Amino acid sequence: QLLLQESGPGLVRPSETLSLTCTVSGGSISSRSYYWDWIRQPPGKGLEWIGSVYYTGNTYYNPSLKSRVTISVDTSNNQFSLNLTAVTAADTALYYCAKTWGWRRPYDYWGQGALVTVSS
Amino acid sequence: DIQMTQSPSSVSASVGDRVTITCRASQGISSWLAWYQQKPGKAPKVLIYTATSLLSGVPSRFSGSGSGTDFTLTISSLQPEDFATYFCQQTDSFPLTFGGGTKVEIK
Repeated sequence: QLLLQESGPGLVRPSETLSLTCTVSGGSISSRSYYWDWIRQPPGKGLEWIGSVYYTGNTYYNPSLKSRVTISVDTSNNQFSLNLTAVTAADTALYYCAKTWGWRRPYDYWGQGALVTVSS
Repeated sequence: DIQMTQSPSSVSASVGDRVTITCRASQGISSWLAWYQQKPGKAPKVLIYTATSLLSGVPSRFSGSGSGTDFTLTISSLQPEDFATYFCQQTDSFPLTFGGGTKVEIK
């Protein structure tokens, strides 16, 4: 059974960088066809796709966040990470990591979510 | 970006009712649409992909239809465990986008 687990600070100061890591267990992050994504959900609101990474390091970002987002993969530790720079209160959200089983496929595995609050 | 518009935003229904949720894409997405169920405090769970394919293990009372721009999720006979929020997602092109959600509440 594949498990995804987000980790990182729950509180980030405005203008600083939000950093989260997703650790994958029960399977290899280097499996072909799988894509590894970050999605966020502000409290009480809908879902926003942040971006996606393939095990080769290829990335795809939401244009609305592209100037501030970096997603990277660490195959040796079976992890992938999110960095979001210059955060504001609007970046306060539950951040999920998730996996798809292929191109244009939905998310079949999710982490439990990491609440990140942006506040001074 | 492809905008996904869900309706209604909420629906009150009773156990045994038939519930229909609609999702409209701002441009054609063929059948690249998924439906998710989310319960409070939990991550979303995929129910249907490619508009009509039921994920293994999902009860057959859930069904999806549509292609192009108009899609429907139907729950044929609502069960107590189905009270939740439902989201559609287009997987046709980046950026991936979701509908605003439909909350199915107890009447």
